[in-house]
Amino acid sequence: DSGVTQTPKHLITATGQRVTLRCSPRSGDLSVYWYQQSLDQGLQFLIHYYNGEERAKGNILERFSAQQFPDLHSELNLSSLELGDSALYFCASSVEGTSGIYEQYFGPGTRLTVT
Amino acid sequence: GQNIDQPTEMTATEGAIVQINCTYQTSGFNGLFWYQQHAGEAPTFLSYNVLDGLEEKGRFSSFLSRSKGYSYLLLKELQMKDSASYLCAVRDRSGGSYIPTFGRGTSLIVHP
Repeated sequence: DSGVTQTPKHLITATGQRVTLRCSPRSGDLSVYWYQQSLDQGLQFLIHYYNGEERAKGNILERFSAQQFPDLHSELNLSSLELGDSALYFCASSVEGTSGIYEQYFGPGTRLTVT
Repeated sequence: GQNIDQPTEMTATEGAIVQINCTYQTSGFNGLFWYQQHAGEAPTFLSYNVLDGLEEKGRFSSFLSRSKGYSYLLLKELQMKDSASYLCAVRDRSGGSYIPTFGRGTSLIVHP
């Protein structure tokens, strides 16, 4: 158990819908990262938050947004869902946001299926 | 950006040794990570290299050559439970971002 929690574990929804994925980092970790993993793309970085502020953006679509709240939990909002958004969405946390060994601890993921 | 290359799949026998290679191209190298990921589960941290040389941790070792843009993960005394995907991730400090970029992973199949 990494100490990172994600809910829900599974989500099935229809095209065009909007969903919210939730992540709670390990106690003491200020950084939260969101990743998308699909079979043909590997682990793709979406966005990074550090202590409530957005720090970096990766290949995140405009239909997707995220935020980190004062209690450090984070939510990833996916809207106007398309079939291609079906994937595993991982949240990871780490102690620091920049250099140093500070490895990432991954949550169990949310499996999103868009039908 | 970064280019990270790993073999797609490898097979090995229980009890044997296997070496998984990773090559990368980056302008501001700031560390290389190896993660293990079992199917449908979260990646878990295995090792970190930022200086050239070998880091040993039990049955797993990781090697880095920064001048060659090359790393390998060495798994000894293979067990069936080592069947998993092994992800190489490179952190780059260029552009002010320190986010690791992941390779597509090497699927290791260990057979009896």
